[in-house]
Amino acid sequence: QKEVEQNSGPLSVPEGAIASLNCTYSDRGSQSFFWYRQYSGKSPELIMFIYSNGDKEDGRFTAQLNKASQYVSLLIRDSQPSDSATYLCAVKVSGAGSYQLTFGKGTKLSVIP
Amino acid sequence: NAGVMQNPRHLVRRRGQEARLRCSPMKGHSHVYWYRQLPEEGLKFMVYLQKENIIDESGMPKERFSAEFPKEGPSILRIQQVVRGDSAAYFCASSPKEADEQFFGPGTRLTVL
Repeated sequence: QKEVEQNSGPLSVPEGAIASLNCTYSDRGSQSFFWYRQYSGKSPELIMFIYSNGDKEDGRFTAQLNKASQYVSLLIRDSQPSDSATYLCAVKVSGAGSYQLTFGKGTKLSVIP
Repeated sequence: NAGVMQNPRHLVRRRGQEARLRCSPMKGHSHVYWYRQLPEEGLKFMVYLQKENIIDESGMPKERFSAEFPKEGPSILRIQQVVRGDSAAYFCASSPKEADEQFFGPGTRLTVL
C-alpha cells in the first residue's frame, strides 16, 4: 500500500521565520513529488514540484528531495501570515497506465504576526 | 485563460437521490482526475480519464459511482442513490499530458441530508 506521511501539526512559526514541512513516502517507485497549499474551504493549489534529488528553489519556497531516504520537504523562507494554510505533500508513481497522486493528510501551518 | 471549472459548487441531495458533478478541464488539457476529500481526511484518488476512455478507476467505489469524459462536453462524476457517507468535497484536476502536474478546480461540496 502506497503511503504518504506528514506531521499533522499545527506548526506555528513567527512571521519572518523559516517554516519547515516534512513528508515521507513508502513506495520506492515514486518518481514525482508535489507540494500543494490548501486554504480552509478552498481547493489545493500547486506551489512546487520536484523530480530529482536535491533542492529546487522558487521564490521563498525550496523543495528538497532525498529518494534514498524517501523523504521530501518544503521550506518557506520569510514566512508571512498569508502562508497560513494546510500544506499537502503528494507523490506520483508512474507506470502501468496510472498517474494518480497519493496525498498525505497535510500539515497545518500557522504563521504568527 | 480559465482554470479548471467545476459545477455546481455546492450540491445538496437527500438520501437515495442522484448526484451529478461536472468538470471542464483547463484549455489544452485532455487528462482529467477526480479526487474526494472527506472531512478531516486527505485527498483520495478516484478515477483518471482521457477523452472517451477510463484509464484508471482503482479508487472508485465498486457500486453507485461512475465517471465519464465524452468526446464533447465536460467530465461527469455520477453518484447514484447517495448516502450520508458520500458527503464530501469532490475535486477535479486536469493536466495536458499524463506525466504533467495536475491543477485542481474549485471543487463541488456535496451534502447528503
